[in-house]
Amino acid sequence: AQTVTQSQPEMSVQEAETVTLSCTYDTSESNYYLFWYKQPPSRQMILVIRQEAYKQQNATENRFSVNFQKAAKSFSLKISDSQLGDTAMYFCAFMISNTGNQFYFGTGTSLTVIP
Amino acid sequence: KAGVTQTPRYLIKTRGQQVTLSCSPISGHRSVSWYQQTPGQGLQFLFEYFSETQRNKGNFPGRFSGRQFSNSRSEMNVSTLELGDSALYLCASSLEVRKRDGYTFGSGTRLTVV
Repeated sequence: AQTVTQSQPEMSVQEAETVTLSCTYDTSESNYYLFWYKQPPSRQMILVIRQEAYKQQNATENRFSVNFQKAAKSFSLKISDSQLGDTAMYFCAFMISNTGNQFYFGTGTSLTVIP
Repeated sequence: KAGVTQTPRYLIKTRGQQVTLSCSPISGHRSVSWYQQTPGQGLQFLFEYFSETQRNKGNFPGRFSGRQFSNSRSEMNVSTLELGDSALYLCASSLEVRKRDGYTFGSGTRLTVV
């Protein structure tokens, strides 16, 4: 079975500080892609960052970066210089590329940036 | 370029009724997936359509069904509504060959069953 676990239901961070959101997953597949999505109060899910499992180098997108540990099946998201607009639900997800391309999502982490 | 459009945005239905939700994907996207989002459960996969064919289905009862039209627009239907069906229903579209780039989601339909 494919599962995604986000063990932090809620987190908060001071504006301009750095925060790390945890994600672990379980799959027996070796070829997959990992994602972090952000869902602000507007409800629109927005892709924050993605990582190919076959790449060892961690992905970065401006203030967002990941720490991908394939052996540990861990995929954490680091947000640097947190901004008020980062307040949102964050979902970790992965997609196995050869089994119908279905996405598996975690239950989310609610992040609040405190001014 | 228009995004993924879901209608209606909000819906209130009575237990036992049925409901139809609509999703128009991004132009050129032929893959449409539906998810149910509830607090504490995250996003649960309902089904995926590609070229008018259901390609994948999640673990939901037969009361949940869907279809896709030739223009890639998709509808999902829930019959005999139960209180537990109250949720945010999200539609996502993607280019088939670029699904590894992730989905583009709509803003969802908030369904409340009373």
